[in-house]
Amino acid sequence: AQSVTQPDIHITVSEGASLELRCNYSYGATPYLFWYVQSPGQGLQLLLKYFSGDTLVQGIKGFEAEFKRSQSSFNLRKPSVHWSDAAEYFCAVVPPGGAQKLVFGQGTRLTINP
Amino acid sequence: DAMVIQNPRYQVTQFGKPVTLSCSQTLNHNVMYWYQQKSSQAPKLLFHYYDKDFNNEADTPDNFQSRRPNTSFCFLDIRSPGLGDAAMYLCATSRGGTGGETQYFGPGTRLLVL
Repeated sequence: AQSVTQPDIHITVSEGASLELRCNYSYGATPYLFWYVQSPGQGLQLLLKYFSGDTLVQGIKGFEAEFKRSQSSFNLRKPSVHWSDAAEYFCAVVPPGGAQKLVFGQGTRLTINP
Repeated sequence: DAMVIQNPRYQVTQFGKPVTLSCSQTLNHNVMYWYQQKSSQAPKLLFHYYDKDFNNEADTPDNFQSRRPNTSFCFLDIRSPGLGDAAMYLCATSRGGTGGETQYFGPGTRLLVL
């Protein structure tokens, strides 16, 4: 079935440590790829997106993501997390031919230890 | 600043009492979306408007309706709220086009059904 998967429901890292959040998709062709962040009780904010071209994408707040076609993955990374990065992170895709429809992964909740 | 505004931020209603949630945008975007997000879950698309064209998701209950009187405003009507409709409701907008356009989210309205 066509889907977006975030394998990790909850991740805890220490402040200052590096972070990688995983995202895999299963579509016949490469979809448009997005990462959103949601702070508690808030709406979603776009961190970055990939449509084509350079497979390493830079986003806001020091985040980056790497598209790997061979692994059908679009993992989000940050070299050094801050306590303010604690939030829910959603990987999302617009499927091939999906026009306006955004399909979300299940989300990964990030906790930061001081 | 151009933005997506949702009112109210918190709404309390009674079981079976109709309720309307409001969304407005200053981005002049063609597409407006309504998502339902239950606790610890990903947002689920209910429907969207592309200009005046209404697009309902196949699994959206008939209890949920929407109106878009003009480009700037879109409303979500819940005709007879049940306890299971308690959730965060997110409005989003995008420019539209062939696909892959970024969706911009409002802060959400949290609905409580008593």
